[in-house]
Amino acid sequence: NAGVTQTPKFQVLKTGQSMTLQCAQDMNHEYMSWYRQDPGMGLRLIHYSVGAGITDQGEVPNGYNVSRSTTEDFPLRLLSAAPSQTSVYFCASSPPSVQLGPIFGSGTRLTVV
Amino acid sequence: LAKTTQPISMDSYEGQEVNITCSHNNIATNDYITWYQQFPSQGPRFIIQGYKTKVTNEVASLFIPADRKSSTLSLPRVSLSDTAVYYCLVGSYSSASKIIFGSGTRLSIRP
Repeated sequence: NAGVTQTPKFQVLKTGQSMTLQCAQDMNHEYMSWYRQDPGMGLRLIHYSVGAGITDQGEVPNGYNVSRSTTEDFPLRLLSAAPSQTSVYFCASSPPSVQLGPIFGSGTRLTVV
Repeated sequence: LAKTTQPISMDSYEGQEVNITCSHNNIATNDYITWYQQFPSQGPRFIIQGYKTKVTNEVASLFIPADRKSSTLSLPRVSLSDTAVYYCLVGSYSSASKIIFGSGTRLSIRP
């Protein structure tokens, strides 16, 4: 059971480039989310999804797109990378029970130069 | 989700008991209280969750008073490896809810 898998682990982009951060979970969780964490800061919610075909914005959605075509996958797309998007990105998924919180992936460290 | 307030940082020494308090004045009836631990360069890790009174597991205890407007994470006999950021979350974690993290408490353990 792999849990939440994020790829790549590290990425360097040039300003204006686009890319997709991948997130996959094998736990059949309906709820998935993306967070970013800047150095020395807490986690901020970018987008989340309550099930296949349903997505919604979090606290800091600008500059990012998401889609949820399957229960397992929740990719995060950067449309035109900016230095302000340099951060560590965490994907999480949540089981259906109200008694458990989200389970996190190991993160993608993104640098935009 | 209910807003939470935690101390920004705390210091302690190895072998001591550490208590981190979280305030959540607007907690709803269906909300649970969950604590996460995060080490540098890693994703947050679930520590403990509770609804009321006291919950204990192999790594921590969680104390919740009757009014549920605050909670205290207790780490017994801390070691250097407990140096991390600790987040308090309050919510029902239903499939329709946003899960928002606060700023967390940076705990530093000294020898």
